[in-house]
Amino acid sequence: LAKTTQPISMDSYEGQEVNITCSHNNIATNDYITWYQQFPSQGPRFIIQGYKTKVTNEVASLFIPADRKSSTLSLPRVSLSDTAVYYCLVVDAGNNRKLIWGLGTSLAVNP
Amino acid sequence: DVKVTQSSRYLVKRTGEKVFLECVQDMDHENMFWYRQDPGLGLRLIYFSYDVKMKEKGDIPEGYSVSREKKERFSLILESASTNQTSMYLCASGLPGAGNTIYFGEGSWLTVV
Repeated sequence: LAKTTQPISMDSYEGQEVNITCSHNNIATNDYITWYQQFPSQGPRFIIQGYKTKVTNEVASLFIPADRKSSTLSLPRVSLSDTAVYYCLVVDAGNNRKLIWGLGTSLAVNP
Repeated sequence: DVKVTQSSRYLVKRTGEKVFLECVQDMDHENMFWYRQDPGLGLRLIYFSYDVKMKEKGDIPEGYSVSREKKERFSLILESASTNQTSMYLCASGLPGAGNTIYFGEGSWLTVV
């Protein structure tokens, strides 16, 4: 079964770049790696997904090395409103394509 | 925008009661999911459904059942609520093969006393 590991928590300051890395093994070779953001008392919401190399949207960038054993979510110039829990989501390499969630990284952005 | 609506945000139920959590999505998605979220344990899949009247057990199905009579609606049922089922319940929907883009509701906070 695929396994994911991400830091439990991170601290940052407004205006800094924040990088959150998720390590994952035994993931499906032909599926996306996806990241979600969750604010308190809300459901997670999609931020970004990628298959390999680098993907960028208006919110974040996602870096995925060639071996796809990790992925790094990069948040440029964070603000207080980026304080949230961030989850990586991968697909297991088994036939059932099971979705495997990380346990989440709680990011605190300080003024 | 995709909308996943969970019928109740906050519920308080007594031990032994039968509890229904309703979820409706408006995007004609085939896949629907029920997750449970507890501090330190992340998101744990209870059941999912990939079509009307179809269901598959997730990681923690014990004590729960589900119903999907219509494509847009997926219900989670606690047959006899217990205090260890006090939790936040999240419904989600998505298209098969659409990467891992699934859409969540706002969550239902259930307290069993």
